[in-house]
Amino acid sequence: DQQVKQNSPSLSVQEGRISILNCDYTNSMFDYFLWYKKYPAEGPTFLISISSIKDKNEDGRFTVFLNKSAKHLSLHIVPSQPGDSAVYFCAASGRYGGSQGNLIFGKGTKLSVKP
Amino acid sequence: DAMVIQNPRYQVTQFGKPVTLSCSQTLNHNVMYWYQQKSSQAPKLLFHYYDKDFNNEADTPDNFQSRRPNTSFCFLDIRSPGLGDAAMYLCATSPRRGSTDTQYFGPGTRLTVL
Repeated sequence: DQQVKQNSPSLSVQEGRISILNCDYTNSMFDYFLWYKKYPAEGPTFLISISSIKDKNEDGRFTVFLNKSAKHLSLHIVPSQPGDSAVYFCAASGRYGGSQGNLIFGKGTKLSVKP
Repeated sequence: DAMVIQNPRYQVTQFGKPVTLSCSQTLNHNVMYWYQQKSSQAPKLLFHYYDKDFNNEADTPDNFQSRRPNTSFCFLDIRSPGLGDAAMYLCATSPRRGSTDTQYFGPGTRLTVL
């Protein structure tokens, strides 16, 4: 059963507008959340992260929001640029049982930013 | 540039014929991971090495093995590939094993099983 869910396989946004990518999780023991970005023919690259003690983390055009009570996080990109077109993976980790801090990934959301 | 390198980028093998995928890193990281990603699925951790300490995920099939002869190199061996093993295989590294440590990924090897 998926512990990290990205329910939108794809998202299309106009250049300059806001992109909002969503992620839900089921394991309340997760305490660290990350977003990775993947271009075709390349490996995923780290984008931004947030600890469970925070509800917001901002880095330039990228902001991640965490709602622990809803077990939901979102990535906001504003303004969106054509170069942001990629697959975005949500990932979560936590120190519980034998997890050893390993990452659990969602299936990804393909973002297309149209000029 | 420091990086994670995977060879080959594309690998074709026959059903049941052993195959080895290679990963090397110039980051001098202690931890190396192998993930399997099937089409439109989430990357799934197969196992990882923390230095020389091998850690297998509980649901990783015995068909998958790994070797880490030194800090820089890690290999994924598939002893008898089946059609269901066709996937993208991603190697990643991190400085330490911890939930807050960023993982650095290679470009992946796409495995086709005929």
